[in-house]
This record gives sequence, structure tokens and C-alpha cells, in this order.
Amino acid sequence: DVQLVQSGAEVKRPGESLKISCEGSGYNLTTHWIGWVRQMPGKGLEWMGIIYPGDSDTRYNPSFQGQVTISADTSMSTAYLQWSSLKASDTAIYYCARYITYYRYYYFHYIDVWGGGTTVTVSS
Amino acid sequence: LMTQSPATLSVSPGKRATLYCRASHSVSPNLAWYQQKPGQAPRLLIHGASTRATGIPARFTAGGSGTDFTLTISSLQPEDFAVYYCQQYNNWPHTFGQGTKVEI
Repeated sequence: DVQLVQSGAEVKRPGESLKISCEGSGYNLTTHWIGWVRQMPGKGLEWMGIIYPGDSDTRYNPSFQGQVTISADTSMSTAYLQWSSLKASDTAIYYCARYITYYRYYYFHYIDVWGGGTTVTVSS
Repeated sequence: LMTQSPATLSVSPGKRATLYCRASHSVSPNLAWYQQKPGQAPRLLIHGASTRATGIPARFTAGGSGTDFTLTISSLQPEDFAVYYCQQYNNWPHTFGQGTKVEI
């Protein structure tokens, strides 16, 4: 069974740094794109970005570019999302998600498996 | 930009529900639908605009092309009351609609 297990809830102060994780099991992390989705309290889903752990190719939503860093460690079968300086507006649930890739003139990728989410609370 | 309608759909159990998703430009066939229940992660229902994901019941059907897509739940079961999101994965960044809440 493919599973994505995310790290636990975090409570941080504004200005602090944070790195949350998403460990994949039941499949080879290097062969699937993996990404992150934000859900602010009571709101919808926002696509943040995606990484191909096999070669670290990374694509960001311009809305999140420069605000977060997506990375992966294939030896740990784990993807990461990190902030260098948190803001109160970063308070949200963050989901990691595995992608399936298919080719039809170009490569396209859709989410097939979701992690359980990591709740991040940033408050002074 | 992905626009879903209606924002909320009130339906009786056993009845049909039809949800709509419109893209600002053609994304066909790279459109997925996800279901999210309170306190849970989203779940993939449909990819490729009309292909049910593994384990998704046949009462969920989807279609459309170009910019206009639909998700139909033929006979609503108690477990189907949830929020549904469409997402295009034709272009970076992949974008979600704002969601449709299906309520009793």
C-alpha cells in the first residue's frame, strides 16, 4: 500500500523557521513527483509546488516562490517543506501528495495519494 | 483560474447532484476531482476529466472538455456529503477550484 506519513503538528512564533516532512512508503520516491498543498483555516486547497526527487527538479506556484522551499531526500524516502521566517498567515494545514505522471505529447502529473496533513500554527 | 458552481448544493439522500467546474482556458483532458470530508485529507475521485480512480463507486461520473466540466453523483449516499474540488493539471501552476459543498 502506498502511504505518505507526515510529521506532527507544530506551534511556532512569527519569525521562526520550520521544516515539515512527508515520508513515502510502499513505492520508490525517486520515480514519482511529490508536492505540497496548503489549506488555510476554513478555506480551499492551494497548490504550492512539486518536486521530482529523482533529479530535484522543482516547480513552484509563483504565489509561494521565495516564501517556502521544497526539497527531498531519497535516502530517507522523504520530502520536505520549509520556511525560514514564519508569519501568522502561514497558519494552515499542509498536505503532501504523490503524483502519477503520464505522457500525451507532454508529461502531465495528477495527485493520486494524499498525506494526512500537518497542522502549522504560527502565533505570538 | 478554476471556477466551481454552485458554492453549496443542498440535496436529499438518494437524489442526483451535479457539480460544475469551469476553466479560464482549455485544460482538457487534464482535470481531476477530489472529495474532502471534514477533518480528512482530500481523496482522488476522477482524473483525465472522466476516469474514476481505483475504488471509486460507479455512482460518481464525470465529463466535459475544453473549459467546462461536470461531476455527477447519481444517488447521494450519506458518506457523499462533503466538499468537492476540481483541479487542472494542464499548466503550471496546477490550480484548484474554490470547492462545492454538498450538504443534506
